Amino acid sequence: AQSVTQPDIHITVSEGASLELRCNYSYGATPYLFWYVQSPGQGLQLLLKYFSGDTLVQGIKGFEAEFKRSQSSFNLRKPSVHWSDAAEYFCAVGAGSGGYQKVTFGIGTKLQVIP
Amino acid sequence: GAVVSQHPSRVICKSGTSVKIECRSLDFQATTMFWYRQFPKQSLMLMATSNEGSKATYEQGVEKDKFLINHASLTLSTLTVTSAHPEDSSFYICSARDREQSSYNEQFFGPGTRLTVL
Repeated sequence: AQSVTQPDIHITVSEGASLELRCNYSYGATPYLFWYVQSPGQGLQLLLKYFSGDTLVQGIKGFEAEFKRSQSSFNLRKPSVHWSDAAEYFCAVGAGSGGYQKVTFGIGTKLQVIP
Repeated sequence: GAVVSQHPSRVICKSGTSVKIECRSLDFQATTMFWYRQFPKQSLMLMATSNEGSKATYEQGVEKDKFLINHASLTLSTLTVTSAHPEDSSFYICSARDREQSSYNEQFFGPGTRLTVL
């Protein structure tokens, strides 16, 4: 079974600073990888996804993530954080094939942005 | 495109009553819909997977008689919390997979339903 680890429960960064949120996954084959963002009381919005091809993927809101197979990682980055980026971020891995495909979420990283 | 709605967004009910939550894919057909539960400050926990026209597949530890799921059409799935109790209070989120993009494993999420059982 697949699993996702987000080692940082809570991160605080200054507005304008760079950001990196860590994500490690466990899965025997090539996974589908996702990053979602959730604002308080809201559903999840997809930031970006990786299925195959270029290991550096660009997403919305200026986010990017890099798939590193050797490290089983899919870290999320942003060069300059905005106050509106404060939210909860979830890394997820999708696995399986055919009619049954399951997505497993990490525990989430709460991002706080200070002025 | 790929919009999923949930209704209601917030519901408060008395203990012992049943509550139905609807999940709709507005601009695509969803062969598969998922129901998640999210406790405060925690991640999403998959409760069940429903495929249109067939019985839902429940995750281990989820009571199928407690959480009734009906996926009657390609655009609608419902979750009914039967005989709700305060411990059922939670944030319920549904997601749907686009029938045309099933191979990509991407799910589109609804905005969630906050259930409070008094």
